[in-house]
Amino acid sequence: QQPVQSPQAVILREGEDAVINCSSSKALYSVHWYRQKHGEAPVFLMILLKGGEQKGHEKISASFNEKKQQSSLYLTASQLSYSGTYFCGTPRSGAGSYQLTFGKGTKLSVIP
Amino acid sequence: GAVVSQHPSRVICKSGTSVKIECRSLDFQATTMFWYRQFPKQSLMLMATSNEGSKATYEQGVEKDKFLINHASLTLSTLTVTSAHPEDSSFYICSANWILGNEQFFGPGTRLTVL
Repeated sequence: QQPVQSPQAVILREGEDAVINCSSSKALYSVHWYRQKHGEAPVFLMILLKGGEQKGHEKISASFNEKKQQSSLYLTASQLSYSGTYFCGTPRSGAGSYQLTFGKGTKLSVIP
Repeated sequence: GAVVSQHPSRVICKSGTSVKIECRSLDFQATTMFWYRQFPKQSLMLMATSNEGSKATYEQGVEKDKFLINHASLTLSTLTVTSAHPEDSSFYICSANWILGNEQFFGPGTRLTVL
């Protein structure tokens, strides 16, 4: 089943913060986050493997709440380069599954 | 590290012809490679899972005789779109799973236009 992302789209001014959520109706074993710019392939941001895990990548970080079956991506002090569509991907079945099902994406636009 | 290349980046062909797309992991070995299709402003849809030395696993609704996948080595997988039609026009993206981890890295994609 496809994970649900929210919001669908968000517009930020440079320097503002944003949170993108990814939730699943079934058990989550891991969550993969990607950013895709128009006309390009998705770029790997991070993967969270354990419940309660939090990871950071410059000013982009994420958390994984296994019990709530959701993950959140945090973008702080946004930059113009953060613009793009963010996708979360979750394993199709089981912890060992490498087949990912992606959400519909969240389009982030950062304006000056 | 973790670079995946895809060739060609763009291809325009006539209806009825076949097109081959190559996906290579340049600096790591990939146990599994995946082929996705993406329509404008939509999400990534998994077409098939490709394992080195074995037959690909296709998703429901994907014609295996139309989308031929060959995974010749731990660094190369190819997708051949046979007898292409305009409705096959799309953005095709491959990804490779790092053999030592869970990360999946995407190639730059191939924009296929069938006239």
